[in-house]
Amino acid sequence: NAGVTQTPKFRVLKTGQSMTLLCAQDMNHEYMYWYRQDPGMGLRLIHYSVGEGTTAKGEVPDGYNVSRLKKQNFLLGLESAAPSQTSVYFCASRNRDFEQYFGPGTRLTVT
Amino acid sequence: AQRVTQPEKLLSVFKGAPVELKCNYSYSGSPELFWYVQYSRQRLQLLLRHISRESIKGFTADLNKGETSFHLKKPFAQEEDSAMYYCALPRAKAAGNKLTFGGGTRVLVKP
Repeated sequence: NAGVTQTPKFRVLKTGQSMTLLCAQDMNHEYMYWYRQDPGMGLRLIHYSVGEGTTAKGEVPDGYNVSRLKKQNFLLGLESAAPSQTSVYFCASRNRDFEQYFGPGTRLTVT
Repeated sequence: AQRVTQPEKLLSVFKGAPVELKCNYSYSGSPELFWYVQYSRQRLQLLLRHISRESIKGFTADLNKGETSFHLKKPFAQEEDSAMYYCALPRAKAAGNKLTFGGGTRVLVKP
C-alpha cells in the first residue's frame, strides 16, 4: 500500500495563477481532508469530504475549492493564487478508528 | 466550543532528561485524544491515542478528565525525538470527524 500520496511535492506560482493539488489514497477510506500548515499556526482544515461526491468547508476555505469525484482522490484547487496561500499543504484520510493518515505534503510558494 | 491548547511552542531538553508536552482540551462529552508527530520535513504520523494505552517509542500519555489534559511524557529523551508534536481531538460525526489540532510543540533534544 502506498498510503496517501500527493502531487506535486513543490510548486511556485505567480499571483493570479491557478493550480490543482492531487491527493490519492489506496486504503478505501471514506473521509479525506485538506490542511494547510503555517509556522506558529499548526494545522488548519481547509475542506473535507465524508465520501465520494461530497465536500464540506473547514476552518479556512476561502480561496480554495475541492472535488471528490472518485473515492480514492481528493483534489484541492486554487483558482487565483495569492501570496497568503504560500504554505505547506497536507492531505489526510481517516480510518474507522478516527486515525488520520497524512500525505507527504506539497510546499507551495506564491510570489 | 471544542478546543485543543498546547501552551508551549518550544521545549528544549538535554538527551537523557525527561520531557513533558502539555495538552489541554475543552470538549463536552467523552473525548478521544491523539498525539501526532512530525519529524523534520516529513509527514505527520500518529504517535499514540489514549484508548490504546500503549507506550510508543517510550512515550506515554494519560487522559485526565478532571484537569482536561492529555500530556505526553517520556522519561529519557533521545536526540531522535526532536520533532514537532501535535495534540488532536476528533469532532463529532456530524462534523465529519474532523481533527482539531493544537498549535504544536517543537521539541529539541540537545546532545
